[in-house]
Amino acid sequence: AQSVTQLGSHVSVSEGALVLLRCNYSSSVPPYLFWYVQYPNQGLQLLLKYTSAATLVKGINGFEAEFKKSETSFHLTKPSAHMSDAAEYFCAVTRRDNYGQNFVFGPGTRLSVLP
Amino acid sequence: DSGVTQTPKHLITATGQRVTLRCSPRSGDLSVYWYQQSLDQGLQFLIQYYNGEERAKGNILERFSAQQFPDLHSELNLSSLELGDSALYFCASSTKLAGEVGELFFGEGSRLTVL
Repeated sequence: AQSVTQLGSHVSVSEGALVLLRCNYSSSVPPYLFWYVQYPNQGLQLLLKYTSAATLVKGINGFEAEFKKSETSFHLTKPSAHMSDAAEYFCAVTRRDNYGQNFVFGPGTRLSVLP
Repeated sequence: DSGVTQTPKHLITATGQRVTLRCSPRSGDLSVYWYQQSLDQGLQFLIQYYNGEERAKGNILERFSAQQFPDLHSELNLSSLELGDSALYFCASSTKLAGEVGELFFGEGSRLTVL
């Protein structure tokens, strides 16, 4: 079975500071990993995804994540936070399947950006 | 715009009633997923359909049912509604076929309020 944990249900950073959102996964097969962002009253949008190519993945809005197999981690970072980054962030894991995929989402981390 | 359309956007109903939520996936996507998002439970996977057939079931109550029609749109039926069913219900679709890996594209959700 696959699972995802996200350390910290709420993270606050100052504008311009480094953003680090943690994600650890558990998977018995090579995982495919995703980060999604949810702004208030909206659906989830894909930030970036890891599908076994480069371990450092760049996404939209200046975010990136690094897949570390030895640490079973896929942490999300952004060098400089912007007020518009305030949102809920979800890490998800899936595996290749014959009929689509079984996505497992983490509990989410709410990011607040302080002026 | 993700290309996934959900209706209605908002729905208010009473306990004991039945509602139907509708989802139109992105053009060409064969897989449809339903998720429930509430404050205390986070994002919970309900059910997945692939090309009209049920492929995976998550934490879906027996009072809930779903189907995917030949034109690939899907409906989630919620019956004997309880106060605790109040939540945001998301539909997502996936573009990839068997053996491939792709991300989920989410609709904007249907907010259900049970009074």
